[in-house]
Amino acid sequence: GENVEQHPSTLSVQEGDSAVIKCTYSDSASNYFPWYKQELGKRPQLIIDIRSNVGEKKDQRIAVTLNKTAKHFSLHITETQPEDSAVYFCAASRWRDDKIIFGKGTRLHILP
Amino acid sequence: SAVISQKPSRDICQRGTSLTIQCQVDSQVTMMFWYRQQPGQSLTLIATANQGSEATYESGFVIDKFPISRPNLTFSTLTVSNMSPEDSSIYLCSARQGQETQYFGPGTRLLVL
Repeated sequence: GENVEQHPSTLSVQEGDSAVIKCTYSDSASNYFPWYKQELGKRPQLIIDIRSNVGEKKDQRIAVTLNKTAKHFSLHITETQPEDSAVYFCAASRWRDDKIIFGKGTRLHILP
Repeated sequence: SAVISQKPSRDICQRGTSLTIQCQVDSQVTMMFWYRQQPGQSLTLIATANQGSEATYESGFVIDKFPISRPNLTFSTLTVSNMSPEDSSIYLCSARQGQETQYFGPGTRLLVL
């Protein structure tokens, strides 16, 4: 089955700097890659996703890139703000299977 | 977007007992899932709740321990049976309509003594 690896497990960046989180996946049939943000005590919320026919997608300060050949994808957050502090999860899915498998998460700290 | 509610939000149970968690979606969805999340950990898929048929369980999870029902397109239950302290966790219901965004419920925080 699918296995999603995520790095780093913890990341601290100065407010205003950029943060990058990287993930790899094992199943070459995976074609949908969502990113979820989970604040303390809250449910995971989708922040951006990308499908395998697209190499990059951007939404304001957040962007995701996908390299299907290398089977890795990354989340980029620019101009980080205190409210970006949370745990971020990458995930992968084959639409036909419909289930989403999550990475282990990255705890992002934005330093003042 | 789908709005998902869960009951109970939290519970404290004695070992050996069972707890049933309810998940209600405000609209019909094709797919419903149950995840477990240990504090500070990732989300682990327990099973896919199939409407009108038996749930599809992931490796390491069995029907006798985690029976699941899904009587219609908006509702599902997860039972945690014969509980032990190792079952203490947050249980999250999740739902998706077709190829749209997958949403999560608020979770049920379970403590087994």
